[in-house]
Amino acid sequence: GIQVEQSPPDLILQEGANSTLRCNFSDSVNNLQWFHQNPWGQLINLFYIPSGTKQNGRLSATTVATERYSLLYISSSQTTDSGVYFCAALTGANNLFFGTGTRLTVIP
Amino acid sequence: NAGVTQTPKFRILKIGQSMTLQCTQDMNHNYMYWYRQDPGMGLKLIYYSVGAGITDKGEVPNGYNVSRSTTEDFPLRLELAAPSQTSVYFCASRLPNQPQHFGDGTRLSIL
Repeated sequence: GIQVEQSPPDLILQEGANSTLRCNFSDSVNNLQWFHQNPWGQLINLFYIPSGTKQNGRLSATTVATERYSLLYISSSQTTDSGVYFCAALTGANNLFFGTGTRLTVIP
Repeated sequence: NAGVTQTPKFRILKIGQSMTLQCTQDMNHNYMYWYRQDPGMGLKLIYYSVGAGITDKGEVPNGYNVSRSTTEDFPLRLELAAPSQTSVYFCASRLPNQPQHFGDGTRLSIL
């Protein structure tokens, strides 16, 4: 299956700081999703983005499919942004392949 | 809509026991999925279904079985529980060309 790599694995931010999370994938994909797994373990959809840029409040995402990467931007981080951020690549066989995540800790 | 509902939320099994993890969705999604998440890792696909009566293996299907007799339900069966199956199990569903929606997970421990 496709390989999905995320960086950095861990990130600690002061509240109010900005950050960029990266997701590289090893092959062409039909789509790419970003998720936030909160401290209670729930997976929250952030973006469904095969290419281009989308924004939702303080979060935005950009996927450059031809270069096989996606970026998640978090601006003015808040303590509630803490958790693990996953990207997942959707292949033609309807499978989602997940990266190992970026664990974000925002300190007040 | 309740979305994707998984039961139970927690379960402890003894080695060799069997159980069924339930998943139901009320969004009329045709695609449904089962994943497992081991500590510190991303999710791995166990089985998926593109519609009632159709199921396919994912990345890690060994030790599991599924069925899809209705659009709403996609149960996951463990026949002979092993310690390696201790994990958090997530069910998800979606429509074509739409994002996956996840349930809250079932935390399973096998002792």
